[in-house]
Amino acid sequence: DGGITQSPKYLFRKEGQNVTLSCEQNLNHDAMYWYRQDPGQGLRLIYYSQIVNDFQKGDIAEGYSVSREKKESFPLTVTSAQKNPTAFYLCASSTLTGVPEAFFGQGTRLTVV
Amino acid sequence: KNEVEQSPQNLTAQEGEFITINCSYSVGISALHWLQQHPGGGIVSLFMLSSGKKKHGRLIATINIQEKHSSLHITASHPRDSAVYICAVSSQGGSEKLVFGKGTKLTVNP
Repeated sequence: DGGITQSPKYLFRKEGQNVTLSCEQNLNHDAMYWYRQDPGQGLRLIYYSQIVNDFQKGDIAEGYSVSREKKESFPLTVTSAQKNPTAFYLCASSTLTGVPEAFFGQGTRLTVV
Repeated sequence: KNEVEQSPQNLTAQEGEFITINCSYSVGISALHWLQQHPGGGIVSLFMLSSGKKKHGRLIATINIQEKHSSLHITASHPRDSAVYICAVSSQGGSEKLVFGKGTKLTVNP
C-alpha cells in the first residue's frame, strides 16, 4: 500500500543537540512538506520541496535544515539554532500535476529537555 | 486575518447529536482537505474536495467554491469521534502548499 511514513513517533533530545526527523513516501509524489504544530496554533510550513535536490523555505525555516537527495525521502534536521524546538512535526506529500492528491504522515512529537 | 478560518474553535456535544464544523478560506484553492487529529497527535486524512460533496460512513463534507466555504458534518456522533478536526487548503499556483486552519476541538460525551 502506498503511503507516507514518519519516524519516530516520539523523540526526546537534550538541548543543544541536532536531531533529524525522517519522512519517506512511496506514492511517487513530486512535492514534500514539513509543518510544525504548537498548542493552540495551526500547522505552519517549515520547508517544502517540489523536485529532487531543490527545496524552498516556508514561513518558519529558521533553525531547520532539509535535504531532498531522493524523491522518496525528505528528512528534516532540527538544529541547535532553533530556539523552541519542542513541537509536533508533520510531513506531507502531494502531486503537482493532474488530480490534486495529498497524504500526511502520522507526525513526530519532539521534546527537547 | 488567517487565510483559513474554522468555527467553532471548541465544540461539545452529546452522543447521537448531529455535528457541523465550518471552514472559510480567502485564497484561490485547488483542493480542500478535512483532517482528524487524535490526542496522540497522529493525523488522518478524512476528505479531499475540490467541488460538491463527499460521504464516508457518518461523515459528510461539502464545499461551495463560489462562497469559499466548506462544512464537515458528523451524523449520530459518538465519543470516539472526539478529536481535533482541521481544515486545510491547497493553494493555487502550482506549489500545492497547504494552509491549515487552527482546528476545531470536538468532544462528544456519552
